Amino acid sequence: GQQVMQIPQYQHVQEGEDFTTYCNSSTTLSNIQWYKQRPGGHPVFLIQLVKSGEVKKQKRLTFQFGEAKKNSSLHITATQTTDVGTYFCAGPPNYGGSQGNLIFGKGTKLSVKP
Amino acid sequence: DSGVTQTPKHLITATGQRVTLRCSPRSGDLSVYWYQQSLDQGLQFLIQYYNGEERAKGNILERFSAQQFPDLHSELNLSSLELGDSALYFCASSVQSWGGDTQYFGPGTRLTVL
Repeated sequence: GQQVMQIPQYQHVQEGEDFTTYCNSSTTLSNIQWYKQRPGGHPVFLIQLVKSGEVKKQKRLTFQFGEAKKNSSLHITATQTTDVGTYFCAGPPNYGGSQGNLIFGKGTKLSVKP
Repeated sequence: DSGVTQTPKHLITATGQRVTLRCSPRSGDLSVYWYQQSLDQGLQFLIQYYNGEERAKGNILERFSAQQFPDLHSELNLSSLELGDSALYFCASSVQSWGGDTQYFGPGTRLTVL
């Protein structure tokens, strides 16, 4: 079935270092969404990318959607301790229709050492 | 605060028992989604309801069932519980029912089966 894969599973960085997580779908996506889950918290929506090759920035976070709309990345510049958490990418299932559910990757867990 | 509420926050029960988890979506949202998150696992989609009707089904066990009521709140029923059912159960809501909707997650219910 359709899969969304993320790498790496874990990333430990020193505060101030950059961080990147990659997301790959087995099928073309109509859009991709990114969520962040803080330790002990719930997933929180960060951003949605829709267009092929789209790049969006939110302060130190840069999100990209691949040209083939099958992969995406999230890059954080100069990480801070507030960036700690698990970052998930998610896309809608390929069978379309009126379902609204998302297929989530397993996430990348980021830890930041001060 | 996402505006999605879930009760109870924690639930401890024994194998073989039955429990009900409750979710109230954000005001105005018609879709409710249920996800299961096991330790170090991603978010597994269970089921979606839209305006009272089942809209999409994921990897939901036959022992689990859900419904959405006329006031749009939803309940997830888990029966004949097994140790492996111990997990965080998240409810999310969105305005409509298509794969581009942003999903707003509740704080989750942590279920422990002893």
